[in-house]
Amino acid sequence: GNSVTQMEGPVTLSEEAFLTINCTYTATGYPSLFWYVQYPGEGLQLLLKATKADDKGSNKGFEATYRKETTSFHLEKGSVQVSDSAVYFCAPLDLGNEKLTFGTGTRLTIIP
Amino acid sequence: DTGVSQNPRHKITKRGQNVTFRCDPISEHNRLYWYRQTLGQGPEFLTYFQNEAQLEKSRLLSDRFSAERPKGSFSTLEIQRTEQGDSAMYLCASSLGPSRGNEQFFGPGTRLTVL
Repeated sequence: GNSVTQMEGPVTLSEEAFLTINCTYTATGYPSLFWYVQYPGEGLQLLLKATKADDKGSNKGFEATYRKETTSFHLEKGSVQVSDSAVYFCAPLDLGNEKLTFGTGTRLTIIP
Repeated sequence: DTGVSQNPRHKITKRGQNVTFRCDPISEHNRLYWYRQTLGQGPEFLTYFQNEAQLEKSRLLSDRFSAERPKGSFSTLEIQRTEQGDSAMYLCASSLGPSRGNEQFFGPGTRLTVL
């Protein structure tokens, strides 16, 4: 099955800083790749996705590029805001059984 | 368009009791998934339905767990003879499958506490 290694948290940044959260995966075949976000007290929300090599997913200023050669899907944002404080999960999807495999999550805190 | 709903939101039970959770997916979503999330971890896949058929079941799902989706709409997850290790957040998600990029939309979860 698939597996995910995510950047250890917690990560604390100042507002307007550049953000990178690393994610690498192992999978058979070419899974679709997702980032989900969990804001305090809320459920999991889909943040962005990419379905094939070199695809770039983007949403709310966040971006991630599907890198097949390095099996990575790192999350980036150029200028973070306090409202971005949340837990971020990287998750490849096994197209055969439609199962998402989540990483342990990276807790991000943005300080004003 | 309402999202995925789950009931109850919280459940406290004593060890050995049976519990049942309900999930109502987004209307017209033919796929429904159950995951379990423990504190500080990411969600773990439990099982998956396409319409009323249960197509995949994780080894995490012991014989005490059973899930149904009788009419291909809502689903129930039952845990029999609960154990303290069953304490977790149980998440439900639904999707339209490959026709919409396999995007899974999650409900708010049911938090189970087994005393």
